[in-house]
Formats: sequence, structure tokens, C-alpha cells
Amino acid sequence: DIQMTQSPSSVSASVGDRVTITCRASQDISSWLAWFQQIPGKPPKLLIYGASNLQSGVPSRFSGSGSGTDFTLTISSLQPEDFAMYYCQQTNSFPLTFGGGTKVEIK
Amino acid sequence: QITLKESGLTLVKPTQTLTLTCTFSGFSLSTIGVGVGWIRQPPGKALEWLALVYWDDDKRYSPPLKSRLTITKDTSKKQVVLTMTNMDPVDTATYYCAHSDDAFDIWGQGTTVTVSS
Repeated sequence: DIQMTQSPSSVSASVGDRVTITCRASQDISSWLAWFQQIPGKPPKLLIYGASNLQSGVPSRFSGSGSGTDFTLTISSLQPEDFAMYYCQQTNSFPLTFGGGTKVEIK
Repeated sequence: QITLKESGLTLVKPTQTLTLTCTFSGFSLSTIGVGVGWIRQPPGKALEWLALVYWDDDKRYSPPLKSRLTITKDTSKKQVVLTMTNMDPVDTATYYCAHSDDAFDIWGQGTTVTVSS
């Protein structure tokens, strides 16, 4: 199984800050990576697929990069509605696996 | 637009079988490349993928749970059913179904299942 490791597990930031979350795969997954945002009590929302493709309707302040084993989700200017949990997921091979999550908190 | 909704019993006893139904609209599960998956999330924990069925009836399961899971589709009814046998309190979680087209792009609201005697 491919293990997905996210860091940090939590980050405190202020509105307007640039936030970067990393996700590392235990083996090469090419660009088969998705990022999700989850607000408490809500289902996950797809932000990025194929490592760097912005899902329709997602604000452009979100961006994804990386390939192989190391990936990054960047929020260029944090907005109040961005305080949430973020998960990465590899879609390269079965079993599909998620990272442990990163909580973006208000500083 | 694409929507999915999970339904099923919300309280089950240990050793019982859980049956969850995902009823969807806005797409066909006979379209090449499309699938419907199930993902769960225990309270306060991360997401865990369970199973996925594709348009061609290819079925994939999480290896640790494979012996307990069955996923089926009814294309005409626009439903996907997940059964999980021998439920245990550690299976208490919110269960989501999601549309898959390279990624889980649309999710249902989820249904919370509690396993308790």
C-alpha cells in the first residue's frame, strides 16, 4: 500500500497569510494526487486533481504542485472560509489512500 | 448537476450487517470511466477509502476490509449499495459515497453510523 504523509498536522495562520501544506507518498505516484478541503460537519470538497489541476469553481488562491513523491498545496492569501481540514489522496493505485490531514487554524 | 445521497440504518448492533445505499442523479454509471466509491470517517479521524465500483462493474476493495465488504450497482435505479458484515464499535463513522472520474469530485452529505449494543 502507498502511505501518504502530510505535514504539518496543524498550522496556525492569519487572514492574508500564505499557507503551504506538504504531502509525501511512500512511492512514486506520478501526478496522481488530489487535495480536499473539509469543513467540520461537511463532506470533503475536491480542490485539486492530477496534482496541479484546479477543480472547477475553486478559487485561484489554491494551487497544487509536485510529482513523484512530493507534493504541495498552497493557499496564496488565506481567507476566513479557508480555515478547515485539508487531506491529500493518491489515485495512482489501489488501495486508494488518504493522508492524515492538516488542520488550518486561526492564529 | 450531480448529486449523491447516502441512506441506511444509523444504529446497528455488533456482529450485524450494515447495508448502505447511495442514490445518485446527474450522471450514468454506464458512462466509460465513471465510478462510485465509499469512504468513511470515524469521529475526529481521517478519511478511509472502502470500496469503488466502475461503469464496467469492476470492483475494488480496501484489503483489510475486503472479506467484510460487498459493493454492487444498479444502473437503472441509479443506486450503489455497500454491505459490511460483522459490524464492530470501531466501525462507528460517517460513511460517504462519492462520484469518481479520475478523482472523487462530488460527495454525498454522508450518513453517520453508530455501532453499539
